[in-house]
Amino acid sequence: NAGVTQTPKFRVLKTGQSMTLLCAQDMNHEYMYWYRQDPGMGLRLIHYSVGEGTTAKGEVPDGYNVSRLKKQNFLLGLESAAPSQTSVYFCASSRRHRAESYEQYFGPGTRLTVT
Amino acid sequence: GENVEQHPSTLSVQEGDSAVIKCTYSDSASNYFPWYKQELGKRPQLIIDIRSNVGEKKDQRIAVTLNKTAKHFSLHITETQPEDSAVYFCAASKLGSSNTGKLIFGQGTTLQVKP
Repeated sequence: NAGVTQTPKFRVLKTGQSMTLLCAQDMNHEYMYWYRQDPGMGLRLIHYSVGEGTTAKGEVPDGYNVSRLKKQNFLLGLESAAPSQTSVYFCASSRRHRAESYEQYFGPGTRLTVT
Repeated sequence: GENVEQHPSTLSVQEGDSAVIKCTYSDSASNYFPWYKQELGKRPQLIIDIRSNVGEKKDQRIAVTLNKTAKHFSLHITETQPEDSAVYFCAASKLGSSNTGKLIFGQGTTLQVKP
């Protein structure tokens, strides 16, 4: 199993450009999450999904949109990138919380720079 | 909403010494507290977690303690080794019938173990 994968690994955007980050998991997990990681600020939740076709806002959703058309994929979109969105983005997935394990499994991250 | 504060932001210890990282949370309804370790350039990985019906949990050299009254929990690493050098994140969540698996993370602690 590949676990959680993210595409791309690195990207440089100019202000105003758009892009989509792809997260895929092969563990049949119901829950998926997008975080951003900035120095000194930990991991902050952007958006999350508790199942196919459902999404919800996290702590810092402004400037981002998400879609979960398939259970295994969770897409994060930036419609008009801003320098403040320069960050490392992590996707994670977990089982529905009636299971034994509540562990979130993280992808390898995407380093995004907006100039 | 929930807020998690983590201290210290950096911690340097000699190999073989103990290390303690502390977190406080604001939402008394939080009942699940995991700790994640992130090595340099890698993805965060769960190392230990505790639920609010337990006061302490141990796994070899690591342990977590929880004080529900004071709303704080701590990570204890004994006999530290150079491979323990990493960033450690605490988090809080609410498990239950309407839970979403959302984690609110602390700001992170960079632990350096000197040989």
